[in-house]
Amino acid sequence: AQTVTQSQPEMSVQEAETVTLSCTYDTSESDYYLFWYKQPPSRQMILVIRQEAYKQQNATENRFSVNFQKAAKSFSLKISDSQLGDAAMYFCAYRRNAGGTSYGKLTFGQGTILTVHP
Amino acid sequence: NAGVTQTPKFQVLKTGQSMTLQCAQDMNHEYMSWYRQDPGMGLRLIHYSVGAGITDQGEVPNGYNVSRSTTEDFPLRLLSAAPSQTSVYFCASSYKRFQPQHFGDGTRLSIL
Repeated sequence: AQTVTQSQPEMSVQEAETVTLSCTYDTSESDYYLFWYKQPPSRQMILVIRQEAYKQQNATENRFSVNFQKAAKSFSLKISDSQLGDAAMYFCAYRRNAGGTSYGKLTFGQGTILTVHP
Repeated sequence: NAGVTQTPKFQVLKTGQSMTLQCAQDMNHEYMSWYRQDPGMGLRLIHYSVGAGITDQGEVPNGYNVSRSTTEDFPLRLLSAAPSQTSVYFCASSYKRFQPQHFGDGTRLSIL
């Protein structure tokens, strides 16, 4: 079974600075997707960024980028120029790309609470 | 475009009561799922569906039933509520296998 581990329950950053959230995962599959979701106090689950395992290039979305290390099974999220609106719970998630009816099933980490100080 | 709509947003039940959490999406998505979110445990998959008439169990299915009679709706039924089912419940959907999931706003459920 796949597992996703976020070892940082809480992180904090000063506004305009950079912060990195860690995520490791365990899988025997070679074809899968990794995601970072943001959950602000409003409780919405918002997709931040995704990475396809067969792509070596790290995904980027504006101020958000990932460091994907497939061999190490590591998938960290870097937030540059942090803003007050980035404060939220962040979840790392895994989804395999095998056959059958397993598509769409996400396995989540425990989450990291990010605080942004003005 | 409403996206994924969950109702109710809040609910308090007594132990032993039954109820149905509603989830509807208007994006013609094939894949729909129910998750529960508990402190320190992230989101865990309860049940999922890959299309109308097809459902399967996730990690924590006990105490819950689902059905998928239409593409749009995927209700989650609690048969006999227990305090251990106190949680926040999320419904999610995606159009195809390779598309990201869209989440509803969640239902906060308390069982007394």
